[in-house]
Amino acid sequence: AQTVTQSQPEMSVQEAETVTLSCTYDTSESDYYLFWYKQPPSRQMILVIRQEAYKQQNATENRFSVNFQKAAKSFSLKISDSQLGDAAMYFCAYRSVLNSGAGSYQLTFGKGTKLSVIP
Amino acid sequence: KAGVTQTPRYLIKTRGQQVTLSCSPISGHRSVSWYQQTPGQGLQFLFEYFSETQRNKGNFPGRFSGRQFSNSRSEMNVSTLELGDSALYLCASSSPGWGTGELFFGEGSRLTVL
Repeated sequence: AQTVTQSQPEMSVQEAETVTLSCTYDTSESDYYLFWYKQPPSRQMILVIRQEAYKQQNATENRFSVNFQKAAKSFSLKISDSQLGDAAMYFCAYRSVLNSGAGSYQLTFGKGTKLSVIP
Repeated sequence: KAGVTQTPRYLIKTRGQQVTLSCSPISGHRSVSWYQQTPGQGLQFLFEYFSETQRNKGNFPGRFSGRQFSNSRSEMNVSTLELGDSALYLCASSSPGWGTGELFFGEGSRLTVL
C-alpha cells in the first residue's frame, strides 16, 4: 500500500517570502499522480497543483511550484511571494493509475501541514 | 457551474443512532468519493462510486455504507454510531475516468457523536 508522509505539522512564513512544504511517499508503482491540496479554514479543499510521475518537468502554477524527485520519492511544494490567503492546511496526496485493486480510484493523503502567514 | 454540495453541514447524534449524509456532485461528474477527516487519522478513504457501482472501499467497518443513484447523487450511512465516528465527512466528485485525477470537494458534513 502507498503511504504519504508530511514531516512538518506546522510552518510559518512572512508575507511576501518563500516557503517550502515537504512530502515523501512510498510506492512500488512506476506511474502515478501526485497532488497538493489546500484546505482553508472554511474547509473546502481545492487543488493547488498536480504532477504526473512520467513527466520529468516540475509542475508550476503561478506562485506555486513543485520539486519532484522521483528516485527519492520526494514531492515538495514551494510557495513564492506568500500571501495572507495562502494560510491553510496543505495536504500532499498520491493517486495510483491502476483501475483495480486496493489503491484504485482513491487518493492517499499525508497528515497535512498547517501554514501560517505572518503579516 | 455549481460545486459539490453536501447536506447537512452540521449534525449531532448520540451513540447507537444512525446517520445519513448526502452529496450532490458537480453536474456531469459520475464518480463520487467519500473521505473521513479527523485530527488524529487525517483523511481516510471510505469508498468510491461510479455509475451506481462501488469500485473501491477503504478499511472501515461494515457500519459504514454508501450508495449512488442514477443521477450520480450519493449518500453514505453510518449505523450504530460510536464516539470515534465524530469527524468531518468529505464528499468529492470527478469527471468520468478520473481524467488527470483531480477531485472536487464539498465543504463537508461535520458529525458530532455524543
